[in-house]
Amino acid sequence: NAGVTQTPKFRVLKTGQSMTLLCAQDMNHEYMYWYRQDPGMGLRLIHYSVGEGTTAKGEVPDGYNVSRLKKQNFLLGLESAAPSQTSVYFCASRTGQEHNEQFFGPGTRLTVL
Amino acid sequence: GQNIDQPTEMTATEGAIVQINCTYQTSGFNGLFWYQQHAGEAPTFLSYNVLDGLEEKGRFSSFLSRSKGYSYLLLKELQMKDSASYLCAVMDSNYQLIWGAGTKLIIKP
Repeated sequence: NAGVTQTPKFRVLKTGQSMTLLCAQDMNHEYMYWYRQDPGMGLRLIHYSVGEGTTAKGEVPDGYNVSRLKKQNFLLGLESAAPSQTSVYFCASRTGQEHNEQFFGPGTRLTVL
Repeated sequence: GQNIDQPTEMTATEGAIVQINCTYQTSGFNGLFWYQQHAGEAPTFLSYNVLDGLEEKGRFSSFLSRSKGYSYLLLKELQMKDSASYLCAVMDSNYQLIWGAGTKLIIKP
C-alpha cells in the first residue's frame, strides 16, 4: 500500500496564478483533510471531507476550494495564489472512528512569489 | 478560544530521559494525540489518550490529566534518531484536531 500520496512535492507560483494539489489514499478511509503548516504555528485545518461527495470548511478556508469526487482522492485548489499562501500543505486521512489516528502524506512545499 | 501550549525547543542527551509537556484549553475533549515529525517529513502517530493515566508503548509513554488539561510525552533511552518535533493535538467537541506548534527536540551525543 502506498498510503497517502501527494502531488506535486514542490511548486513555485506567481501571485494570481492557480493550481491544484492532489491527494490520494489507498486505505479506503472515509475522512480526508487538508492542512497547512507554517513556522512557529500548529497545523491549521483548511478543509476536510467526511466522505465521497462531501466537503466542509476548516479553520482557514479562505482562498482555497476542495473537491472529493472519488473516495480515494481529495483535491485542493488555489484559484488566485497570494504570497500569504506560501506554506507546506499536508493531506491526511483516517477511518470513520474518531480515536483512530490520521495518516499524513509527504507534503507539498508551495512558494508564491 | 482554543489553545494548545508546548515548549518550543528542548535539548537532551543520548541515553537520557526527556518529558515534553502539553497543556490545553479546548471546546470539548475527545482525546489527545502525540505525533512525531522529522524535519522535512510528514507527522507520524505516536500515541492516543482519552482516559486519565499513563499509556506505555516501548520507549515512549504518554500521560493525561483531563482535570488539569495536561499531558506529557516521556521518551526513555534517547537515541539520535529521536531528534524531531513532537506535536500535541487535542480532538475537540467537533472531532477536529487542534494542534500545538510542536516541540523541537535536539539530542546531543
